[in-house]
Amino acid sequence: AQKVTQTQTSISVVEKTTVTMDCVYETRDSSYFLFWYKQTASGEIVFLIRQDSYKKENATVGHYSLNFQKPKSSIGLIITATQIEDSAVYFCAMREGTNSAGNKLTFGIGTRVLVRP
Amino acid sequence: NAGVIQTPRHKVTGKGQEATLWCEPISGHSAVFWYRQTIVQGLEFLTYFRNQAPIDDSGMPKERFSAQMPNQSHSTLKIQSTQPQDSAVYLCASSVGLGGRGQDTQYFGPGTRLLVL
Repeated sequence: AQKVTQTQTSISVVEKTTVTMDCVYETRDSSYFLFWYKQTASGEIVFLIRQDSYKKENATVGHYSLNFQKPKSSIGLIITATQIEDSAVYFCAMREGTNSAGNKLTFGIGTRVLVRP
Repeated sequence: NAGVIQTPRHKVTGKGQEATLWCEPISGHSAVFWYRQTIVQGLEFLTYFRNQAPIDDSGMPKERFSAQMPNQSHSTLKIQSTQPQDSAVYLCASSVGLGGRGQDTQYFGPGTRLLVL
């Protein structure tokens, strides 16, 4: 069964600095897809960035980037030049790709990030 | 473009009553997913549809929970004889499809917060 683990419960950083969050996953599939979502204080869940397992290059979108280390089953999220509005809970999620039951997302427990002035 | 729409945003029911939650996916999206979020269990998959057909309901409690998608513009999650442990935020998500190249990215609605007294 697939499993996603986020070990950092909360992180506090100063505005304009870089924050890094960890995520490790377990899967038997050779093809899988990794996602990061952000949940704001209002409860809204927003898609940020994804990494497909067959891609070697780390994904980058705006000030979000990923550190994909396939041999370690690790997909870290890096946020550079943080802003106050980056304060949120960040979820790592995985989708296995080989059958219909794999289309669901399995989530980690989330990492709460506080960006302070 | 409108995102995923969920109604109602908040619902309070008495124990034993029925609750029906509504979801309108993003126009043109063929896959619709239901998740539940609680403090204890985090984000959990419930069920999903593709082109209105139920594909995987492995996360649905076997009793009292049912989901339907009568047309491409809405899905419902019905909980019969609600219990206090059903209290949660119920989230609907949709994706263009289930293939790669980003089609499978799920976009979430604002959720329905259900409180069973």
